[in-house]
Amino acid sequence: GAVVSQHPSWVICKSGTSVKIECRSLDFQATTMFWYRQFPKQSLMLMATSNEGSKATYEQGVEKDKFLINHASLTLSTLTVTSAHPEDSSFYICSASPRIEQFFGPGTRLTVL
Amino acid sequence: AQRVTQPEKLLSVFKGAPVELKCNYSYSGSPELFWYVQYSRQRLQLLLRHISRESIKGFTADLNKGETSFHLKKPFAQEEDSAMYYCALYMDSNYQLIWGAGTKLIIKP
Repeated sequence: GAVVSQHPSWVICKSGTSVKIECRSLDFQATTMFWYRQFPKQSLMLMATSNEGSKATYEQGVEKDKFLINHASLTLSTLTVTSAHPEDSSFYICSASPRIEQFFGPGTRLTVL
Repeated sequence: AQRVTQPEKLLSVFKGAPVELKCNYSYSGSPELFWYVQYSRQRLQLLLRHISRESIKGFTADLNKGETSFHLKKPFAQEEDSAMYYCALYMDSNYQLIWGAGTKLIIKP
């Protein structure tokens, strides 16, 4: 149980384009979903927290207009990287939480050329 | 301020030796702590949480409020234990986890 999927698992795009990443909780309802970035050999960096039906809460330094988060239902959250630039290349990980524990997706590797 | 500290970036021990991964926290409330593990090329997964007081894959962790620690221990390390280990503190004010920097555990044969 408690499976979280992410799609796509990797994406390569041109600079200036937008990329959407989906995060789904497959067998439970997630009150809260989280989006993280993980740089090589570093810990997770929380980008934003989203609750179903309300606006996401962004961490300091994360541009909300660049990283659009939509939490449309209790099982789906999307992260859209708008006008992507090479510095946005990273590993993006989502997690879903029914209560306290977080269950993680496998991550999405984004490469912006 | 709330903080989780994992002082060791890398820990290398021989197979069969005891392992202790250190985690210290700073939190004014009643802490709820977790250990997560990330095996090579796999997603992060929950290893154990202090509230359940269980042993998973031979690992245990005891919350010591006096020392504000939640160290992860295993008496006899196995090669398959090699992974990244993260200690995390749950914040009930905003439902977030505060993450330690992680410790890479390498078990030598």
